[in-house]
Amino acid sequence: GDSVTQMEGPVTLSEEAFLTINCTYTATGYPSLFWYVQYPGEGLQLLLKATKADDKGSNKGFEATYRKETTSFHLEKGSVQVSDSAVYFCALGGNYGGSQGNLIFGKGTKLSVKP
Amino acid sequence: DGGITQSPKYLFRKEGQNVTLSCEQNLNHDAMYWYRQDPGQGLRLIYYSQIVNDFQKGDIAEGYSVSREKKESFPLTVTSAQKNPTAFYLCASSIPSNRGNYGYTFGSGTRLTVV
Repeated sequence: GDSVTQMEGPVTLSEEAFLTINCTYTATGYPSLFWYVQYPGEGLQLLLKATKADDKGSNKGFEATYRKETTSFHLEKGSVQVSDSAVYFCALGGNYGGSQGNLIFGKGTKLSVKP
Repeated sequence: DGGITQSPKYLFRKEGQNVTLSCEQNLNHDAMYWYRQDPGQGLRLIYYSQIVNDFQKGDIAEGYSVSREKKESFPLTVTSAQKNPTAFYLCASSIPSNRGNYGYTFGSGTRLTVV
């Protein structure tokens, strides 16, 4: 079945460092891909998404490119801030009706940014 | 503003009690979901509903029950049969994916503690 694998954390970086969180997927068909962020004690918020191959999602300085050839959707940011400390989840979901549209989540990667 | 509201934010349950967690959305979304999150863990799907008066079990439905009598509401009951209910519970909603997958909107969560 469909699945998502993301790098295990925790990831600890200094402020202004470059961030990469790896995410790879296995899916039939052509799913949409998502990154969600969860701040401590809160629900998940959609950070960015991409709906087809070669699409680049971006938001708040974060970017991820939908790479069909490598089945990847790695999250990057050029210069992290302390306020980026959170747990990041990669997810995929089908573009058809019913349960195929349900999102499948990775296990999450905790990011800590030190001043 | 449209959104999804979970209440209460914190809930304490005695051993052997049933408790109900509320989830209400005014986004006009058809689909709703309940997830459980344990410390340092990813999300596990409890139940989901694609349409009013219909719902399906997720991966960890034992000890939980739901109802979907209204489009806006998807309450979760944690029964006494759930042996380890202490966790963070997240509700989410989405539009049907056959219109393209836009991902989920999450509530801010309910933290349930057994005392």
